[in-house]
Amino acid sequence: QSVLTQPPSVSGAPGQRVTISCTGSRSNIGAGYDVQWYQQVPGTAPKLLIYDNTNRPSGVPERFSGSKSGTSASLAITGLQAEDEADYYCQSYDDTLSGSGVFGGGTKLTVL
Amino acid sequence: QVQLQESGPGLVKPSQTLSLTCSVSGGSISSGPYYWNWIRQPAGKTLEWIGRIYTNGNTDYNPSFRSRVTMLLDTSRNHLSLKLTSVTAADTAVYYCARRASGEGWFDPWGLGTLVSVSS
Repeated sequence: QSVLTQPPSVSGAPGQRVTISCTGSRSNIGAGYDVQWYQQVPGTAPKLLIYDNTNRPSGVPERFSGSKSGTSASLAITGLQAEDEADYYCQSYDDTLSGSGVFGGGTKLTVL
Repeated sequence: QVQLQESGPGLVKPSQTLSLTCSVSGGSISSGPYYWNWIRQPAGKTLEWIGRIYTNGNTDYNPSFRSRVTMLLDTSRNHLSLKLTSVTAADTAVYYCARRASGEGWFDPWGLGTLVSVSS
């Protein structure tokens, strides 16, 4: 069971908006650690999508946005496209694990 | 642009030691300051942080692996290594190396990953 909880799956039609939640606790997200999001197409390595809660690396479309509040974070994808179909993982750190990096369980996004 | 590539045996027998290397190109592993990380992913499951080694050789390990893991830097070959002892089938996974800059929280870039299966 992952330290950070994500819904196993979400879906949406092309052009729609979807959100993926990442719920933690006072020892990780709630402790002030920033949250990152990664996109992973099956068979490939994770790709950094959002860093420090809200920031997009160069090359990531503006359709992807992140937010954080309290012990949770969210990833929003607007104007859904077929190429967005992938697994999405949140990542942070946890005080109870000696500051180890921790990942969410992952969310499979299906574009209908 | 820094690129990472993992390599090692694709098959390891139970109770033996898993040994992987991560070759770094496009930059020196001794420049930085950077943390070089190992992360693994069993098939169909989430990512699991194994540990990290700093530019100066200092290490931090996930408590779940601390008794079995060793990470080293080889500056002459510009690569880092991972050794995981006493492996079981539960250690079957794709193993990734990834870089994290000191003071920052994200992993980027990542290697392509290498699949290691533990089986007799």
